Amino acid sequence: KQEVTQIPAALSVPEGENLVLNCSFTDSAIYNLQWFRQDPGKGLTSLLLIQSSQREQTSGRLNASLDKSSGRSTLYIAASQPGDSATYLCAVRPGGSGSRLTFGEGTQLTVNP
Amino acid sequence: DAEITQSPRHKITETGRQVTLACHQTWNHNNMFWYRQDLGHGLRLIHYSYGVQDTNKGEVSDGYSVSRSNTEDLPLTLESAASSQTSVYFCASVCNYEQYFGPGTRLTVT
Repeated sequence: KQEVTQIPAALSVPEGENLVLNCSFTDSAIYNLQWFRQDPGKGLTSLLLIQSSQREQTSGRLNASLDKSSGRSTLYIAASQPGDSATYLCAVRPGGSGSRLTFGEGTQLTVNP
Repeated sequence: DAEITQSPRHKITETGRQVTLACHQTWNHNNMFWYRQDLGHGLRLIHYSYGVQDTNKGEVSDGYSVSRSNTEDLPLTLESAASSQTSVYFCASVCNYEQYFGPGTRLTVT
């Protein structure tokens, strides 16, 4: 059974800092990995999708990498801002799962002004 | 703009009542999903559908049912609500391998 772990569970940084969020998964047979952002009381917003054949994806100040063989992904946020404060979730689409996703529990990020 | 909506956004019900949560998407996506989100458990899959008349059980399907009579809607029914079903429920649909989520329904069972 695929399991997804995100470390740390919570992170507090000063504004302007570059930071890395980690995601690990137990079964490397995945189709893709997706990073989401969730604001309090809101739904999930897709940030980046990395296919299993890709090594990284970039969107603005966000960069996500994927090392499928080691079961790891990182989300790099450059020059963090208070507006980046949210919970960040990663999810993997396991092989043979159709479109179903397995989620980690998320990293709660606070960026202090 | 195409979107995915959920209703109601908040619901309080009593134990034993039947409750239906609505999910509607205007993208014409075939694949739709229902998740529940609980502290300490993250998001867990309840039911999913890959098209009209297709429904499948997820990892926490006991006490829930879905039906898919058209592409746009996937209602989630709690047959007899229990306090353990107090949660936030999210509906999602998939396009080009990417999942898009609705705003969620906060359900409280008293």
